[in-house]
Amino acid sequence: GENVEQHPSTLSVQEGDSAVIKCTYSDSASNYFPWYKQELGKRPQLIIDIRSNVGEKKDQRIAVTLNKTAKHFSLHITETQPEDSAVYFCAASSGTYKYIFGTGTRLKVLA
Amino acid sequence: DTEVTQTPKHLVMGMTNKKSLKCEQHMGHRAMYWYKQKAKKPPELMFVYSYEKLSINESVPSRFSPECPNSSLLNLHLHALQPEDSALYLCASRGAGGRTGELFFGEGSRLTVL
Repeated sequence: GENVEQHPSTLSVQEGDSAVIKCTYSDSASNYFPWYKQELGKRPQLIIDIRSNVGEKKDQRIAVTLNKTAKHFSLHITETQPEDSAVYFCAASSGTYKYIFGTGTRLKVLA
Repeated sequence: DTEVTQTPKHLVMGMTNKKSLKCEQHMGHRAMYWYKQKAKKPPELMFVYSYEKLSINESVPSRFSPECPNSSLLNLHLHALQPEDSALYLCASRGAGGRTGELFFGEGSRLTVL
């Protein structure tokens, strides 16, 4: 069935360093790839998304890259700050109403 | 208004109780979702309503009964739940039709079943 693998499950970085989270999807019909940030006790919130007709998208310190051939997409956070500490979920959707979520990455930014 | 509002924020119920979770949005979204989220896990899809009709039921036990009274409201009726049903229940919405887009989540209702 449809599946999204996400790695690593936990990631600790020093403040100011970069963080990279990787996801692999199985459904070749997937065409929309959002990334959600969920702080403790809070709702998941969209931080960036990318569609299948684009290879890269950037928004300030956050960027997402997509390799359709390999079915990989990655989240890159540069100049990390303590407020970036949260759980990050990738997801993939094929244009139906379903969003297949990855298993999550707990990011800790150490001051 | 870009908010999805859920009530109650916290709910404790016994296994014989009947309760309901409520969700409201005024963004004109015609697709509304219920997700279940356990600690340290991703959201798990339960139901999707599209234009007030049930589009997806992910084989959820009948002790969970969704209802979409109108385009702004979504309810989840709970009856005879089990302790393992304790979780955060998230409502979400997005525009229906057209291109897939952002899911807007509510803050969730944290349910404890005793």
